Amino acid sequence: EAGVTQSPTHLIKTRGQQATLRCSPISGHTSVYWYQQALGLGLQFLLWYDEGEERNRGNFPPRFSGRQFPNYSSELNVNALELEDSALYLCASSLLSVGNTIYFGEGSWLTVV
Amino acid sequence: GNSVTQMEGPVTLSEEAFLTINCTYTATGYPSLFWYVQYPGEGLQLLLKATKADDKGSNKGFEATYRKETTSFHLEKGSVQVSDSAVYFCALSGGSGGSNYKLTFGKGTLLTVNP
Repeated sequence: EAGVTQSPTHLIKTRGQQATLRCSPISGHTSVYWYQQALGLGLQFLLWYDEGEERNRGNFPPRFSGRQFPNYSSELNVNALELEDSALYLCASSLLSVGNTIYFGEGSWLTVV
Repeated sequence: GNSVTQMEGPVTLSEEAFLTINCTYTATGYPSLFWYVQYPGEGLQLLLKATKADDKGSNKGFEATYRKETTSFHLEKGSVQVSDSAVYFCALSGGSGGSNYKLTFGKGTLLTVNP
């Protein structure tokens, strides 16, 4: 069974541009989570989607946004890129159940130059 | 809200040494507890989990016991290998505060095992 898949693996953008990252959850999982892992800052929660709705949002500016599609895949959009947005963006999925295991993808490396 | 505190590294050990990485948490109710591992250049992999007090999670020689009385979930391994070199993250989800579904992570502990 396929795990969580993310694309692209690496992305280089210029400051001020927009980046779009994509994620396909494990089959049957309805919840998708996005985390940012910037150098030295640990794992910061960005967004959580379930059944197409945004359920929770971390402490990030509005230029970080996303959506979840009817097939439960998701995309993360980052507008007006800043140098400090350079990070590994991790997508994860789970069944919607308190305490359920959350499985991560390999991540997308975003570099802003 | 929920929070996780884990010992900050880096931790450097020789092969076959005993490993302990401390993790304590703050949460109301009964959260589930996890250890994830991140090998260099990769995403996060679930190492082990425990969903209720006194549960012991184990995998690949690693163990952690959910201690509600001390709000701890320390990771241990009796004999580490070079291949265990990675960053280890303690995390929790659930409990009765805030968003019950997302993971709250500790800052991670870098482990380096030398031959």
